[in-house]
Amino acid sequence: AQTVTQSQPEMSVQEAETVTLSCTYDTSESNYYLFWYKQPPSRQMILVIRQEAYKQQNATENRFSVNFQKAAKSFSLKISDSQLGDTAMYFCAFMKLWAGGNKLVFGAGTILRVKS
Amino acid sequence: DGGITQSPKYLFRKEGQNVTLSCEQNLNHDAMYWYRQDPGQGLRLIYYSQIVNDFQKGDIAEGYSVSREKKESFPLTVTSAQKNPTAFYLCASSMDRITGELFFGEGSRLTVL
Repeated sequence: AQTVTQSQPEMSVQEAETVTLSCTYDTSESNYYLFWYKQPPSRQMILVIRQEAYKQQNATENRFSVNFQKAAKSFSLKISDSQLGDTAMYFCAFMKLWAGGNKLVFGAGTILRVKS
Repeated sequence: DGGITQSPKYLFRKEGQNVTLSCEQNLNHDAMYWYRQDPGQGLRLIYYSQIVNDFQKGDIAEGYSVSREKKESFPLTVTSAQKNPTAFYLCASSMDRITGELFFGEGSRLTVL
């Protein structure tokens, strides 16, 4: 079974600075997807960024980028120019490519607080 | 606007009562999911459905039941057999198996007194 580990329960960062959230996962699969989801205080989960395991290039979405290290099974999220609206719980998630549907395995989450 | 609607947002029930959480989507997605969220444990999959009239158990299905009679609707019943039902419940849907993206509702908070 796949597992996802987020070792940082809480983090804080000053507005406009950069922060990196860590995620490691365990799998024997070679083809899979990795995701970072954001859950703000409103509790609605929002997709931040997605990485396909077969792509060597790290995904980026505006101020959000990932450092995907397939051999090390590591998938960290970097948030640049942090904004107050980035304050949220961030979940790392794994999904293997499988005909049975999009079953995501989530980590326990990291609470990020952006301070002014 | 397209999206997923969960109701109610907050629900209080006495022990031993069954409760049903509603999830409706107008995104025309085939697949729908129910996750449970507890502090410090992330999200855990309860049930999922890839198509109407078909659903499968997730990792923590015991004490829960679902139905999928319409594409738009995937209600979750928390039965009296669920030993620790107080939690935050999230419904999600996805268009296909390729992109993997889940779209979530705003969640339902169930408190059993």
